[in-house]
Amino acid sequence: ETAVFQTPNYHVTQVGNEVSFNCKQTLGHDTMYWYKQDSKKLLKIMFSYNNKQLIVNETVPRRFSPQSSDKAHLNLRIKSVEPEDSAVYLCASSQGLGGRYAEQFFGPGTRLTVL
Amino acid sequence: AQSVTQPDARVTVSEGASLQLRCKYSYFGTPYLFWYVQYPRQGLQLLLKYYPGDPVVQGVNGFEAEFSKSNSSFHLRKASVHWSDWAVYFCAVSMGGFASALTFGSGTKVIPCLP
Repeated sequence: ETAVFQTPNYHVTQVGNEVSFNCKQTLGHDTMYWYKQDSKKLLKIMFSYNNKQLIVNETVPRRFSPQSSDKAHLNLRIKSVEPEDSAVYLCASSQGLGGRYAEQFFGPGTRLTVL
Repeated sequence: AQSVTQPDARVTVSEGASLQLRCKYSYFGTPYLFWYVQYPRQGLQLLLKYYPGDPVVQGVNGFEAEFSKSNSSFHLRKASVHWSDWAVYFCAVSMGGFASALTFGSGTKVIPCLP
């Protein structure tokens, strides 16, 4: 049963374009995340949001920015995409912060291809 | 800094045979540990989770894992593999406290041993 929704499923674009990915969770969770999964399946945290506050921001390029309207939504915008941005972007949510609240629920992912 | 090592990139196993996937973690504190499975073109699904307590935890679809503090390990096991188990498995550890993003291992792909 899907509770974390992502759109679009796939996106193909050219270098230099701007893209935006959407994520919505219906679990009533307080924390949401964006992960990047590269072609070797490696998963790296990009951002996490708790009650609309950015609490973890790994050293991602400045062209990436998270956007949240409320705690159920966390979008990801990429200004001027680069070829190395080709990856699967996974959105996740958890009940809270760390410890027993760390179990995360994942969306199906958005596959980005940059030509 | 915390880290997770999955030493086996690929594991070959026959249907009906037993399976063990290895996971070693490095974390200065009380670890909260997870195993996720990823099927092709899908997001991650939780198999099981360890919160401090009983070292053997049961998960879905006959999976179980055993936490060992002395070995810093959290190996995943299944007594009899089914064809639906061909997938990529990720071990993850959560930072406690304020930040809650998961740190993932590099994944282990389980593939069938064909006669």
